[in-house]
This record gives sequence, C-alpha cells and structure tokens, in this order.
Amino acid sequence: GEDVEQSLFLSVREGDSSVINCTYTDSSSTYLYWYKQEPGAGLQLLTYIFSNMDMKQDQRLTVLLNKKDKHLSLRIADTQNGDSAIYFCAEITVYGNNRLAFGKGNQVVVIP
Amino acid sequence: EAGVAQSPRYKIIEKRQSVAFWCNPISGHATLYWYQQILGQGPKLLIQFQNNGVVDDSQLPKDRFSAERLKGVDSTLKIQPAKLEDSAVYLCASSLAGSGNTIYFGEGSWLTVV
Repeated sequence: GEDVEQSLFLSVREGDSSVINCTYTDSSSTYLYWYKQEPGAGLQLLTYIFSNMDMKQDQRLTVLLNKKDKHLSLRIADTQNGDSAIYFCAEITVYGNNRLAFGKGNQVVVIP
Repeated sequence: EAGVAQSPRYKIIEKRQSVAFWCNPISGHATLYWYQQILGQGPKLLIQFQNNGVVDDSQLPKDRFSAERLKGVDSTLKIQPAKLEDSAVYLCASSLAGSGNTIYFGEGSWLTVV
C-alpha cells in the first residue's frame, strides 16, 4: 500500500542549501513529486521524477531518488526567503488510478 | 491558462449545519479530485472523478459527505451535517486523463466548524 513518511521541520540560513527527505513504501511507484505549500495557499508543483531516474536537476532544485531504499530527497540550493513553506512529497503508483499519496510535509523556515 | 478555481475560499459554520464547496477544473482536464487537508497533515484523497464518473471514493465518509460532477466539468462537495473534525482545507485538483499526468491544485476552501 501507499505510505509516505517525511521529517517535520527544518530551519536554514538564507544562502545555504537545504535538503528535505522522504521515504515511501510502495515499490510500484511510477512518479514521485515535490509540492510546495505557502501559508494560506494551495499546493504548487515544484518538480517530479520518474521512477527509472536517479537524479533530476531543475535550476536550484535537485531531486535524488534511491529506489533500493525507497528514499527521495529535494535539495534547494541558495535557499531564499521565498522558499519558506511546507514541502510535500507524493507518489503515484501504477495501480493508484493516478491518485497522489502525500506525506505529512516538511516545514522549511529560512532565517535571514 | 486559468488554474483550478474554488469557492468559497473561507467558510465558518456551526456543527450540524451543512456546507457546499464548488470547483471548476482546468479546461480539458477529465480527472477531478477532492482532497481534505487537516492542519499539520498532508492532503488525503476524498473522491476522484473521471469525467462524470466516480473512480475512487473509498476514503469519502459517505454518511455525511457527497460529491457530484454532473456534466463532467464543475464539481460540488457537500458536507451535511458537519462535525468539528471536518475543519480542514478542501482542495480541488485536476489533471488530464491517464496515469502520470501532472495534478494541479486550486487554492483550497478553508472550513472551520465551531
């Protein structure tokens, strides 16, 4: 079944890199996503990775996928004030009817 | 391109009252989702439509929640009667049909039950 785990809180200084981690249990996951949620707002898709990839880079964002350990991470380079938000990882499986299963989220606070 | 539209943005009701939320998906998106997000948690799928048919409503509390998408476009989610634990953000999302298509979310409807 689907079960996505995330750590809860991360504080990072402006300009530093931040790394958010996520583990999942369903080995049939096809796509894994990172969504960003700012206070009072909906979910914004940041990036995604297909399950046959190990890494994807998109400007300041780097996604690493370790299928063996079912571990997904998001690295944000040069973290900025606007990166303060809650970050959710989510997975879609072959058998999931294109349904996203979300983790509990990881709150990132950027310190000036 | 317009995003997923939801209304109302905020609603406060007393327990045992009813409430309805409306969603207009992105044009051309056959798949529509309603998610419930309780404070401090990740979103949980309530119901998924493909056009006007229900694909998955296994996590919808059917004794009090109902949803419809009569013409395969807009959708409404109703709660009747509301309980205190229904206080949450109700997120509507849409995607093109088929597995692996990106799911886009609306801003959400924030419900407080007092």
